[in-house]
Amino acid sequence: SYELTQPPSVSVSLRQTASITCSGDMLRNKYASWYQQKPGQSPVLVIYEDTKRPSGIPQRFSGSNSGNTATLTISGTQAMDEADYYCQAWDGSVWVFGGGTNLTVL
Amino acid sequence: EVQLVESGGDLIQPGGSLRLSCGASGFTFNNYWMHWVRQAPGKGLVWVSQIYNDGSDRRYADNVKGRFTISRDNAKNTLYLQMNSLRVEDTAVYYCAREIGPSNKGGTFDIWGQGTMVSVSS
Repeated sequence: SYELTQPPSVSVSLRQTASITCSGDMLRNKYASWYQQKPGQSPVLVIYEDTKRPSGIPQRFSGSNSGNTATLTISGTQAMDEADYYCQAWDGSVWVFGGGTNLTVL
Repeated sequence: EVQLVESGGDLIQPGGSLRLSCGASGFTFNNYWMHWVRQAPGKGLVWVSQIYNDGSDRRYADNVKGRFTISRDNAKNTLYLQMNSLRVEDTAVYYCAREIGPSNKGGTFDIWGQGTMVSVSS
């Protein structure tokens, strides 16, 4: 079965750049999406089709996808960005989520 | 306002059955594929099931295949998940989600409900 691998945790200093990776076989041939989830809340889409931002998502959120790795980048990280982040892709028959990355803003 | 609202979660004994509902509003429900995604306490998101906009195709994660059935009533703008033979490991918050942009490279879940809790315990 297809798997997406994320680091369990990432730390970033306030106003610095955070990068969260998501690795999967031939991921570059699939669209990667990213979701933000804060404690007690539902997931919120922050990046879709590798690089696109839904309306209402701040410009500091960006995405890329090449090789076997998709990356979510948060530039000028704010305290409010502290959350769990999940990548997601479709392997042709089922939809797959990464295990999630807890982002801590120091 | 585009919205999904789940209901039907409960505390149930192993082996029991439960039906979850997800009411949609603010968009043309019958234009979209819909999904169920679950999250066990303290764990990550796990895809459960998907249904085409017209109900003509349904897919399931391996660990629920044969026990769960997804369905929809487009006249009522409602998505369902019938869960039978429930196990302790099915304990989770169950979210319904709308998919946009399905293509040969995949789609994404742009709208999520607030979730409904299913607890399976004796």
